[in-house]
Amino acid sequence: GQNIDQPTEMTATEGAIVQINCTYQTSGFNGLFWYQQHAGEAPTFLSYNVLDGLEEKGRFSSFLSRSKGYSYLLLKELQMKDSASYLCAVSDSNYQLIWGAGTKLIIKP
Amino acid sequence: GAVVSQHPSWVICKSGTSVKIECRSLDFQATTMFWYRQFPKQSLMLMATSNEGSKATYEQGVEKDKFLINHASLTLSTLTVTSAHPEDSSFYICSARDNGGDYNEQFFGPGTRLTVL
Repeated sequence: GQNIDQPTEMTATEGAIVQINCTYQTSGFNGLFWYQQHAGEAPTFLSYNVLDGLEEKGRFSSFLSRSKGYSYLLLKELQMKDSASYLCAVSDSNYQLIWGAGTKLIIKP
Repeated sequence: GAVVSQHPSWVICKSGTSVKIECRSLDFQATTMFWYRQFPKQSLMLMATSNEGSKATYEQGVEKDKFLINHASLTLSTLTVTSAHPEDSSFYICSARDNGGDYNEQFFGPGTRLTVL
């Protein structure tokens, strides 16, 4: 079966760095997405990885290892507004997104 | 960037009535749109994949006669919740795939919060 695993909840301090991990097992792979979702709102696109390595975009970076079925989202210089759920999703062989359950990130002052 | 609108943003209706939700891609054409449902503190659940000009593909457990999907144009898909009941109360979110985008990613509408009394 297809499976995406990510931690349910994480807590970090304002100004710090946090890494949210995602492991996956899917039928085929056409890329991995990270989305941010604030409570009561729709998800917004953060990043996309299809090749191994690190993609950096401002305070956010995303890493992929296809051989390990593993990705992480790295958030630097955390701000209170970064408190949200972070969703990992894999595009399978049919370009259908398989979603993880999301990681709720709590930022403390 | 690609923008997807959804209307209405919230709706309250009586049990037994039908509710139509519209999803529009504003600045790109979307041959494929997706309808999701999200209950409080839970993850997104894909309900159906809507393809322009053809029948929608429903996920297992989703009643196609209850959740009617129409994707008549490259920029509009509609979801009609027929004979809504309180258990249908949820956050309904659509997304559209930008085939011309860099990553073939899905862009989400703002969601529709449905409350059935």
